Amino acid sequence: NAGVMQNPRHLVRRRGQEARLRCSPMKGHSHVYWYRQLPEEGLKFMVYLQKENIIDESGMPKERFSAEFPKEGPSILRIQQVVRGDSAAYFCASSPGEDQPQHFGDGTRLSIL
Amino acid sequence: SQQGEEDPQALSIQEGENATMNCSYKTSINNLQWYRQNSGRGLVHLILIRSNEREKHSGRLRVTLDTSKKSSSLLITASRAADTASYFCVHTGANSKLTFGKGITLSVRP
Repeated sequence: NAGVMQNPRHLVRRRGQEARLRCSPMKGHSHVYWYRQLPEEGLKFMVYLQKENIIDESGMPKERFSAEFPKEGPSILRIQQVVRGDSAAYFCASSPGEDQPQHFGDGTRLSIL
Repeated sequence: SQQGEEDPQALSIQEGENATMNCSYKTSINNLQWYRQNSGRGLVHLILIRSNEREKHSGRLRVTLDTSKKSSSLLITASRAADTASYFCVHTGANSKLTFGKGITLSVRP
């Protein structure tokens, strides 16, 4: 049973470009969470999605950031017009339901030039 | 801030010794979880303890929870070099949102 798969592992973008981060949850998991981790910091919650629905996006910046989890395919975290401050590791986690342990992917390291 | 404190921030011990890590939190919780993160990797779930539980064991791990003091501890017995990692105490609030601290850096010397 494959774990949470994130791709790409590393992504380099220039300021102003768009970044798309993908997350395929574990088989049987319908709950997906995105977190951001700055160097030497813990993870910060961004958004919680179930299939086709955003449940909680209170940790996501209102501008330039969006997330989706379509009926088919992976969850996508999209960052438009990236800036240097977006450089971070972005982790996706999935769980089979609320209040269940979350299983994490290895993250996507985003670097903005 | 909903984050509590983790103590100590860093811990260095000899292989075979026990490691005790503590955390406190500020809000009411549904459960509390401990995760491990090796450098450059994602997080690995270690153990979950529910708010109505006081102690839980998993292999060499022992977790306690004191809801009256809003605190938890993680004990790793007979530590190994492979236990070297950052450890996070994470509590779950509304909408299963996990709140992370900065973590505790554990170094186990061979």
